[in-house]
Amino acid sequence: EIVMTQSPATLSVSPGERATLSCRASQSVSSNLAWYQQKPGQAPRLLIYGASTRATGIPARFSGSGSGTEFTLTISSLQSEDFAVYYCQQYNNWPPCTFGQGTKLEIK
Amino acid sequence: QVTLRESGPALVKPTQTLTLTCTFSGFSLSTSGMCVSWVRQPPGKALEWLALIDWDDDKYYSTSLKTRLTISKDTSKNQVVLTMTNMDPVDTATYYCARIAMVRGVTEYYFDYWGQGTLVTVSS
Repeated sequence: EIVMTQSPATLSVSPGERATLSCRASQSVSSNLAWYQQKPGQAPRLLIYGASTRATGIPARFSGSGSGTEFTLTISSLQSEDFAVYYCQQYNNWPPCTFGQGTKLEIK
Repeated sequence: QVTLRESGPALVKPTQTLTLTCTFSGFSLSTSGMCVSWVRQPPGKALEWLALIDWDDDKYYSTSLKTRLTISKDTSKNQVVLTMTNMDPVDTATYYCARIAMVRGVTEYYFDYWGQGTLVTVSS
């Protein structure tokens, strides 16, 4: 089973600044990597798939990059609604799909 | 418009069997390539994939929970059912059903639509 490791566990950033979240896979997942955003009391929402493709309706300030084992989610110019928990998920080796443990993005 | 909604008991006792139903609309599980999955999330913890069923009635389970899970579908009712036996307090979690994405007719195993989740507490 592929293990997904996200860092940092918590990231404190001021509104208007850039946030960079990392996700590492224990073996190559090619570009089969998705990112989700989850706010308290809500279901996860798909942000990025294929490592870098934004899902429908996702603002351009969200971007994804990477391939193989190293991936990054970047949020440029943080808005108040962006403070949430972010999860990565690999879907290269299925089943199972596996999620990272999440990065909490909090207001500095 | 794709929607999914989970239903089931909010409270179960240890050793009991949990039965959850996912009722969906906006797509058909008889469409080639379509899949629905269950994911859970203990309070304050990460997401954990549980099971998946596809249009062809193929079923896949989490390795660690395989012996306790059964997934099934009723295409005519647009429902997917998950049963989990021998419930324990560590199974307390919000249980989500989610649709697996299809991109240009190809199944891509990430989740493009989620239900709102249902919190299941295991306690005597």
